[in-house]
Amino acid sequence: AQRVTQPEKLLSVFKGAPVELKCNYSYSGSPELFWYVQYSRQRLQLLLRHISRESIKGFTADLNKGETSFHLKKPFAQEEDSAMYYCALLGANSKLTFGKGITLSVRP
Amino acid sequence: GAGVSQSPSNKVTEKGKDVELRCDPISGHTALYWYRQSLGQGLEFLIYFQGNSAPDKSGLPSDRFSAERTGGSVSTLTIQRTQQEDSAVYLCASSPGGTGNTEAFFGQGTRLTVV
Repeated sequence: AQRVTQPEKLLSVFKGAPVELKCNYSYSGSPELFWYVQYSRQRLQLLLRHISRESIKGFTADLNKGETSFHLKKPFAQEEDSAMYYCALLGANSKLTFGKGITLSVRP
Repeated sequence: GAGVSQSPSNKVTEKGKDVELRCDPISGHTALYWYRQSLGQGLEFLIYFQGNSAPDKSGLPSDRFSAERTGGSVSTLTIQRTQQEDSAVYLCASSPGGTGNTEAFFGQGTRLTVV
């Protein structure tokens, strides 16, 4: 079975503070991991994928197979980062499994 | 079309009535998902279609929920005898399928309100 766990529902930080959104996964194979974001009144959309090893809007995420984690990080949060963030795993039968999501609130 | 399209955008129905929600995926995408997003909750997986394989229905909350995908394209999610707890935003997503960098593209959702 494949599972994605996002242990926190809400993270509130001040502008300029560092952000870490936690994601842990359970999967017996080699995972493909993603972060999706949903801004207010917008569609859910891909933020980044671990294979690309890219930084998008200042966010990065490193796959740690030993800890089965894929935490999303940004050194200095901006107000426009306020959104709901979902971690996702592409596993068996190409099925995409999402975590429950976390709301990030960045205060001025 | 340019993206995943869902209809209707909003649906208000009376408790006990049946509803049908429609999803038009991106052309050529073999994978199609239905999720439910309730107020204050995250994404709840409902059902997954992949090509001609039998759908993964493991997320359907009760036998009042069913979905079909005709011709490998359009999908319809049907909720029979709706209950107030069915009120939520129902999201559809499609992806090219297969392994590798497979991005899922989401529709704008159908907001269902059961009164």
